[in-house]
Amino acid sequence: GENVEQHPSTLSVQEGDSAVIKCTYSDSASNYFPWYKQELGKRPQLIIYIRSNVGEKKDQRIAVTLNKTAKHFSLHITETQPEDSAVYFCAAPDDPLSNDYKLSFGAGTTVTVRA
Amino acid sequence: NAGVTQTPKFRILKIGQSMTLQCTQDMNHNYMYWYRQDPGMGLKLIYYSVGAGITDKGEVPNGYNVSRSTTEDFPLRLELAAPSQTSVYFCASSYSAASSYEQYFGPGTRLTVT
Repeated sequence: GENVEQHPSTLSVQEGDSAVIKCTYSDSASNYFPWYKQELGKRPQLIIYIRSNVGEKKDQRIAVTLNKTAKHFSLHITETQPEDSAVYFCAAPDDPLSNDYKLSFGAGTTVTVRA
Repeated sequence: NAGVTQTPKFRILKIGQSMTLQCTQDMNHNYMYWYRQDPGMGLKLIYYSVGAGITDKGEVPNGYNVSRSTTEDFPLRLELAAPSQTSVYFCASSYSAASSYEQYFGPGTRLTVT
């Protein structure tokens, strides 16, 4: 299956600064890359995803970039706010050439926004 | 829609006991998943199902069993609980192959085995 590595494991930023989380994947056939956010004590929720046929996607203060050649994708959060404090997970299809629709998740990044 | 619901929210088991974690979704999703979440380890897939009557193992299936007799329900059975099964368990579902990047998660069950 897919091997997704995520860095850093923890990230502390000053409110208003930017945060960047990077993930690498192993299977060049992977064709979509979602990001999930999990607030403390809550369930993970999809916040954004990117398909392999685009290099960047934005949604207000968050953006995802994809480098297919290097097999990595990144989450960018600009103008961070206290409500951005959470654990963020990247993911990729576990077996992109099959039809079993599983995701392989990274280990997560705990983001803390300091006031 | 209630979305994905799970019961119980919390449970303490003694070593060797068994239990069933319940998961129900009311979104008519075909695909359902069970994950466990350990601190710093992300989400590990235990079992998944692509439709009623069809289940398959994920990355960490040992010590667990599932069934999928209806589209809505996907219970997870723990037999002979062990301390290594102490974790937070999440059930999730997704609608179709085209939207498999978007999984809807339940609120989770926090299980402690002592």
